[in-house]
Amino acid sequence: AQSVTQLDSQVPVFEEAPVELRCNYSSSVSVYLFWYVQYPNQGLQLLLKYLSGSTLVKGINGFEAEFNKSQTSFHLRKPSVHISDTAEYFCAVSEGSNKFYFGSGTKLNVKP
Amino acid sequence: EAQVTQNPRYLITVTGKKLTVTCSQNMNHEYMSWYRQDPGLGLRQIYYSMNVEVTDKGDVPEGYKVSRKEKRNFPLILESPSPNQTSLYFCASSLAIGLGDTQYFGPGTRLTVL
Repeated sequence: AQSVTQLDSQVPVFEEAPVELRCNYSSSVSVYLFWYVQYPNQGLQLLLKYLSGSTLVKGINGFEAEFNKSQTSFHLRKPSVHISDTAEYFCAVSEGSNKFYFGSGTKLNVKP
Repeated sequence: EAQVTQNPRYLITVTGKKLTVTCSQNMNHEYMSWYRQDPGLGLRQIYYSMNVEVTDKGDVPEGYKVSRKEKRNFPLILESPSPNQTSLYFCASSLAIGLGDTQYFGPGTRLTVL
């Protein structure tokens, strides 16, 4: 079975600073990769996804992620965060099968 | 408006009292899924459905049942709830899962089993 690791459970950062949220997955087969964001008391919404092609994927709200097949990673980045980016971020993987695997989540806390 | 709805949003119940959480989507999606979210564990898949009358177990199916009699509805049934099923539950749907389609999530149902 696939496993998804988000090593950082919490990431504090000051407003306008850059941030990177790390995600590693276990499978070496072809995968689809996703980042979802969950704002307080809400459901999840898609930030971006990688299906194929360019390894740099751009998403909503200025976020981007880079797929690295050799390191089985899909780290999320933003060059300058805003207070409104405070949320929990989930990395997820699908092997193209029927199952979907989520990481444990990273809480991003943007401080003024 | 395209959406996934869940009811109820909040539920407090007692051990052993059967309950159903409803999930409905209006996007004509074939794939639907249930997840539970627990602190430090992220989301774990309970059951999923590829289409009407086609359901299968996810990673944590014990203690849960589902049915898919209509394309738009995918209820989650807890026949005899126990305290370890206290959690936040999300329903999600997508056009199809095999092609990397985006999953759309409902607002969540917070369940407490006493």
